[in-house]
Amino acid sequence: QSALTQPASLSGSPGQSITISCTGTTSDVGGYRYVSWYQQHPGKAPKLILYDVSNRPSGVPLRFSGSKSGNTASLTISGLQADDEAIYYCSSYTSSSPLYVFGTGTKVTVL
Amino acid sequence: EVQLVESGGDFIQPGGSLRLSCVASGFSFDIYSMNWVRQAPGKGLEWVSFISRSSSTIYYAESVKGRFTISRDNDKKSLFLQMNSLRVEDTAVYYCARDLTTSYGMVVWGQGTTVSVSS
Repeated sequence: QSALTQPASLSGSPGQSITISCTGTTSDVGGYRYVSWYQQHPGKAPKLILYDVSNRPSGVPLRFSGSKSGNTASLTISGLQADDEAIYYCSSYTSSSPLYVFGTGTKVTVL
Repeated sequence: EVQLVESGGDFIQPGGSLRLSCVASGFSFDIYSMNWVRQAPGKGLEWVSFISRSSSTIYYAESVKGRFTISRDNDKKSLFLQMNSLRVEDTAVYYCARDLTTSYGMVVWGQGTTVSVSS
């Protein structure tokens, strides 16, 4: 099972919006709405910020939103803040090799 | 406070064995499925293994199948990962993570425990 494809890095200025893509196949992203996103700050454990494509766990700001089209899911961070600087990973349920597959990770830099 | 605390990581030679533990607190451990996820130094996340709340369903990543065994003790609110025939490429921080109740996604994570495999 290959990792889902994400851009290696993205950057934006405070207040701007950025969108991170996550491309898979019909066996994972394209076949199910079980796409989740994680935020990981250096030296810390990952934190779930979206699940089921666009649902936010309690406490996650509205600035984080998600969508999916075909085999590609997207995470949009609106109103970029300094604390959003982190690595973001997508993940999906996969039917081709149990159970989860993660994305390659995107390092977000706030300029 | 909802919390997961891993332990058992160590420095070990290739071919050796190690048992990781994860103790849960602040929630009803026995109603949640659990996972192990690892992260090699400077690399991304890799899902390792899943166990359902009753231990009736277990999955492994191909990279560890046949070498690692996941288990749990609901009475002790504990999750385990028995790691045998360790390889250099198993070097990573190992996290235990709790699944969502009704969907796929890991909503509670431990702080991680480090496994270093080297001769």
